[in-house]
Amino acid sequence: GIQVEQSPPDLILQEGANSTLRCNFSDSVNNLQWFHQNPWGQLINLFYIPSGTKQNGRLSATTVATERYSLLYISSSQTTDSGVYFCAVGGKTGANNLFFGTGTRLTVIP
Amino acid sequence: EPEVTQTPSHQVTQMGQEVILRCVPISNHLYFYWYRQILGQKVEFLVSFYNNEISEKSEIFDDQFSVERPDGSNFTLKIRSTKLEDSAMYFCARTHADTQYFGPGTRLTVL
Repeated sequence: GIQVEQSPPDLILQEGANSTLRCNFSDSVNNLQWFHQNPWGQLINLFYIPSGTKQNGRLSATTVATERYSLLYISSSQTTDSGVYFCAVGGKTGANNLFFGTGTRLTVIP
Repeated sequence: EPEVTQTPSHQVTQMGQEVILRCVPISNHLYFYWYRQILGQKVEFLVSFYNNEISEKSEIFDDQFSVERPDGSNFTLKIRSTKLEDSAMYFCARTHADTQYFGPGTRLTVL
């Protein structure tokens, strides 16, 4: 399967700071999603972004498919942003399984 | 956002017992997935199920696992003889407009 690497593995931020999370993948993909896993274990879909740039409030994401990486930007971080952020990719369009990275654990301290 | 519910939220079982985990989509869809996440690790694909048949499965999905859609709505994952290493969070997911949405998960603890 496709290899997915995320960096950094851990990140501690002061509330209000900005951060960039990176996802590198080993092969061409037609599906890329970012998830936030909250402290209760729920996987919340943030972005479906196989290419291009999207923004949703304080979060934005950019995928450069030709260079096989994606970035997740978090601005003005809040304590509720804490949790693990996963990048997941799929090699086919439509409904096919996702390969997950090992995640970035974000802790936002007040 | 398309909803998926899972039952039970937490299941404790003895090693060697059979467990059935359930996924209930709110609306009728054909394509579903099961994933698992061992504590502290990444999420791993188990199996995809399309139109009442297995579409893809991973190496993890061996003979002790099976999936069914017994009544046309509920979607089940059965583990025939649980092992200690089956302890994990099991997620059901569905696709809507190329995006996968995950249920809240079932935490399985094998003693």
